Amino acid sequence: QQQVKQSPQSLIVQKGGISIINCAYENTAFDYFPWYQQFPGKGPALLIAIRPDVSEKKEGRFTISFNKSAKQFSLHIMDSQPGDSATYFCAASGGGSYIPTFGRGTSLIVHP
Amino acid sequence: KAGVTQTPRYLIKTRGQQVTLSCSPISGHRSVSWYQQTPGQGLQFLFEYFSETQRNKGNFPGRFSGRQFSNSRSEMNVSTLELGDSALYLCASSSSGGRISTDTQYFGPGTRLTVL
Repeated sequence: QQQVKQSPQSLIVQKGGISIINCAYENTAFDYFPWYQQFPGKGPALLIAIRPDVSEKKEGRFTISFNKSAKQFSLHIMDSQPGDSATYFCAASGGGSYIPTFGRGTSLIVHP
Repeated sequence: KAGVTQTPRYLIKTRGQQVTLSCSPISGHRSVSWYQQTPGQGLQFLFEYFSETQRNKGNFPGRFSGRQFSNSRSEMNVSTLELGDSALYLCASSSSGGRISTDTQYFGPGTRLTVL
């Protein structure tokens, strides 16, 4: 049973456009929702994270939107750049499960 | 601080063989987790070690095992390799001692295992 569902599997965006990746979770006990970014040949690295007591968190061009009632959260990348081309993973943890459960990942390609 | 290191970076094995992968966590980190990454399944949790004890285990067969040494370095072993074990194996360390959900996982670059 997949506890964190991520979509789309792949995404192609033009430079300057907005990239949007969505995730949905099932376990209402989750209380921490990080996003990880992975470049080829590297391990995933924490990009940005949110707690459910806020609906939005912004760090530079990256924004997480969180909808607790719908059990959904999304990553928005504004003014997408070719250097943003990577695989993005959403994750969720909490409720006694401190090991994060990851989504299946989204491969983002930003064309110059 | 040096990051998480994993050795070897690449491995090619044949079915039926066994393999051992190594992970050195960030200095001071006592929790080490292992993940299997495949294109179809994403990141799947294998197990977590803390102070030489397995604290959590994912849903993988007993062919997958691990251990942690007193210096927090960890090894993962896969016996009787199958074609489906081909994957990127990632090690992550965190400073968590208290099982905090907000702890950041710091990943190594992974070991690419190919089973022929």
